[in-house]
Amino acid sequence: EAQVTQNPRYLITVTGKKLTVTCSQNMNHEYMSWYRQDPGLGLRQIYYSMNVEVTDKGDVPEGYKVSRKEKRNFPLILESPSPNQTSLYFCASSLSGGNTEAFFGQGTRLTVV
Amino acid sequence: GESVGLHLPTLSVQEGDNSIINCAYSNSASDYFIWYKQESGKGPQFIIDIRSNMDKRQGQRVTVLLNKTVKHLSLQIAATQPGDSAVYFCAENRRTGRRALTFGSGTRLQVQP
Repeated sequence: EAQVTQNPRYLITVTGKKLTVTCSQNMNHEYMSWYRQDPGLGLRQIYYSMNVEVTDKGDVPEGYKVSRKEKRNFPLILESPSPNQTSLYFCASSLSGGNTEAFFGQGTRLTVV
Repeated sequence: GESVGLHLPTLSVQEGDNSIINCAYSNSASDYFIWYKQESGKGPQFIIDIRSNMDKRQGQRVTVLLNKTVKHLSLQIAATQPGDSAVYFCAENRRTGRRALTFGSGTRLQVQP
């Protein structure tokens, strides 16, 4: 089954404690993204990757890092989480970016206290 | 600034009626549009897409209409069912270097029995 898998689904952490949210896709897609979803703001792109070892900033990259060492994986790293990063996070993948359908993971609800 | 927006944040319809969800976009260079459905606790799910060289596209119980003259996109759901209750997002490909989809803030569809 074609899917994007994120882990964990729920995470509560404390300010400053580094964390990683994993994302994996099994569709051999080149393009992967991370979004955050906040009430009234829709989905905003954090970082994206057009292929292995190619990553770049989206609309709201501050406080986040990503890596793309393998085509299927695209982890999101918060080196020093802060309460304003409390949000619902989605990983997405697509064949080639904005002109093709994006497939989304189930989401990770992060709370930073 | 340019944005993808929605006219109505909440739409309430009776079961069996047709629903119309609207979306305004402001980037005339956008060439690809998608509608997503997001149910509570889940990631966005693809419903239907349309490219800018088309005015209309039909799926199962859904139709997307694109009016490039007034930069308007709509999603029509025929014979709305309780299972259609969700938040609906439109997204556009603005053809930027990031190849990212830009999302609107969403419309909540409530289906009354």
